[in-house]
Amino acid sequence: DIQMTQSPSSLSASVGDRVTITCRASESITFHLSWYQVKAGKAPKLLISVASTLESGVPSRFSGSGSGTDFTLTISSLQPEDFATYYCQQTYSSPRFTFGPGTRVDVK
Amino acid sequence: EVQLVESGGGLVQPGRSLRLSCEVSGFTFENFAMHWVRQVPGKGLEWVSCISWNSKVIGYADSVKGRFTISRDNAKNFLYLQMDSLRADDSALYYCAKAKGTGWSYGMDVWGQGTTVTVSS
Repeated sequence: DIQMTQSPSSLSASVGDRVTITCRASESITFHLSWYQVKAGKAPKLLISVASTLESGVPSRFSGSGSGTDFTLTISSLQPEDFATYYCQQTYSSPRFTFGPGTRVDVK
Repeated sequence: EVQLVESGGGLVQPGRSLRLSCEVSGFTFENFAMHWVRQVPGKGLEWVSCISWNSKVIGYADSVKGRFTISRDNAKNFLYLQMDSLRADDSALYYCAKAKGTGWSYGMDVWGQGTTVTVSS
């Protein structure tokens, strides 16, 4: 099975900061990676699919990059509504799709 | 409006069964693969199971394989998760989610609000 790791597990940041979250797969998943945002009491929200394609309606301050085993989610200028937990998910190993453990972004 | 509404959660004793349902509306259900994902409060997301549009391809996480069965009724616009031999560690909020696009590659773009399963004696 493909294992997913994320770093850091949590981070503290201020509004306006540039935030970078890393996701690593235990083997190559080419570009088959999605990013989700989860806020307390809300359903997960798909932000990015196939490593770098921004979902419709997602602000352009979010971006994704990477391929193979190493991927990055970047928030260029953190906004108050961005404090949340972020998860990566591999969509390569059909039909078994694993999430990373999550990265919590909270207020510094 | 695209909508997924889960139901069927509740309190159940260890070893018993429960069937979750997910009623979908606002899109052509038979064209899309579907997933179940769960989250223990305060913990991470765990992918549970998936089913292709035609039910020919099905997958399960190791943690539920042999105990859970996913199915769908394209005529009724329903997704199901039959959960047998339930354990305490199956307690979670269960979401159904729609696969984006054809196939599996693009993640899950529509989610329900979830239904809570609590396994306890």
